[in-house]
Amino acid sequence: GQQVMQIPQYQHVQEGEDFTTYCNSSTTLSNIQWYKQRPGGHPVFLIQLVKSGEVKKQKRLTFQFGEAKKNSSLHITATQTTDVGTYFCAGRYGNKLVFGAGTILRVKS
Amino acid sequence: NAGVTQTPKFQVLKTGQSMTLQCAQDMNHEYMSWYRQDPGMGLRLIHYSVGAGITDQGEVPNGYNVSRSTTEDFPLRLLSAAPSQTSVYFCASRTSGAPTDTQYFGPGTRLTVL
Repeated sequence: GQQVMQIPQYQHVQEGEDFTTYCNSSTTLSNIQWYKQRPGGHPVFLIQLVKSGEVKKQKRLTFQFGEAKKNSSLHITATQTTDVGTYFCAGRYGNKLVFGAGTILRVKS
Repeated sequence: NAGVTQTPKFQVLKTGQSMTLQCAQDMNHEYMSWYRQDPGMGLRLIHYSVGAGITDQGEVPNGYNVSRSTTEDFPLRLLSAAPSQTSVYFCASRTSGAPTDTQYFGPGTRLTVL
């Protein structure tokens, strides 16, 4: 079946350091979405990437979609304590949205 | 708009009991789905629906039933609860055919099966 692998599982960074999480699919994706879940909360949509090689930015967050539409990354520049939470990628296969296991980000101030 | 609502927020069941998790959305979204979230495993799709009267299985459908009689409501039924069903359950909805098919999640139901 369709699977989306996400690494790393955990990342502890010092405030001000950068952070990156990666997702990889064995098959081509229609699109990929990124979500953030704060501790105790629910996933909240961040962005959707559709085109091969697409790069989108939201302030300190940069999202990339690979040329083959099989991998994606989320990079946060100069992390802040407000960035803590779990970041999920989710790949679309037809009608189904398949989530990666998520990367838990902890930021030490 | 209330968005996606879920009830109850917390529930404790004994093994073998049945219950229904409620989910409703007021955004007129065609597509609704149920996920369970377990530590280290992300969100796994249980069942989904692309419109009233149409449902299909996701990755982990065993032990769960769904129905979609209206656009607004998508209840999830546990017929005979098992400890392995202890999890956080999220309902989600989205439009279909839009340029960005943002999925909106409800606040979740934390279920413990003893």
